[in-house]
Amino acid sequence: SQQGEEDPQALSIQEGENATMNCSYKTSINNLQWYRQNSGRGLVHLILIRSNEREKHSGRLRVTLDTSKKSSSLLITASRAADTASYFCATVSLNSGGSNYKLTFGKGTLLTVNP
Amino acid sequence: DGGITQSPKYLFRKEGQNVTLSCEQNLNHDAMYWYRQDPGQGLRLIYYSQIVNDFQKGDIAEGYSVSREKKESFPLTVTSAQKNPTAFYLCASSIFPDTWLTDTQYFGPGTRLTVL
Repeated sequence: SQQGEEDPQALSIQEGENATMNCSYKTSINNLQWYRQNSGRGLVHLILIRSNEREKHSGRLRVTLDTSKKSSSLLITASRAADTASYFCATVSLNSGGSNYKLTFGKGTLLTVNP
Repeated sequence: DGGITQSPKYLFRKEGQNVTLSCEQNLNHDAMYWYRQDPGQGLRLIYYSQIVNDFQKGDIAEGYSVSREKKESFPLTVTSAQKNPTAFYLCASSIFPDTWLTDTQYFGPGTRLTVL
């Protein structure tokens, strides 16, 4: 089963509005990362938040992490049409044998920002 | 212009044929990865390599093979044994040694493989 699962699966908003996407996970993590993917392209790293951090900002992005609830949220403020993309959370955790770290991607949230 | 390049962008294969997808990086990263992405799905790890001449199986390695003869290059061969190879394939890299698999990954633009 997926380690990280995004919610909602799809989100449609108007330009200028804020967009919030959530990610839930099952096991303890080392860090959690958010990536963006434009249609038919590779992924671009947005932000990394470590397990001992609660909030991080990067430009119009704000990421929160609640390890007690095993959840994270990505907030994009003042959205633009160019923000239209799929957004993935990826969790870094120890594999089942406890010998190595593993990066596991969720299925993503498709964000559409209408002009 | 630093980054990761993948070629070709689109690839068509007849059933029973092996095909090789290219991945090259000039970021001087030690670790490289291959992922498969199916529609509406997250990425699944096929193979990864921490260092030249060494690579490890990921979650879905069956029907795939890789080599790592040079630091810059990590080609993926999709063999005829892969039962459902039609997918979008993404190559990535990250800095090694202390932070591999925990650090940021840099992705190429992807190759879309279609089996006819």
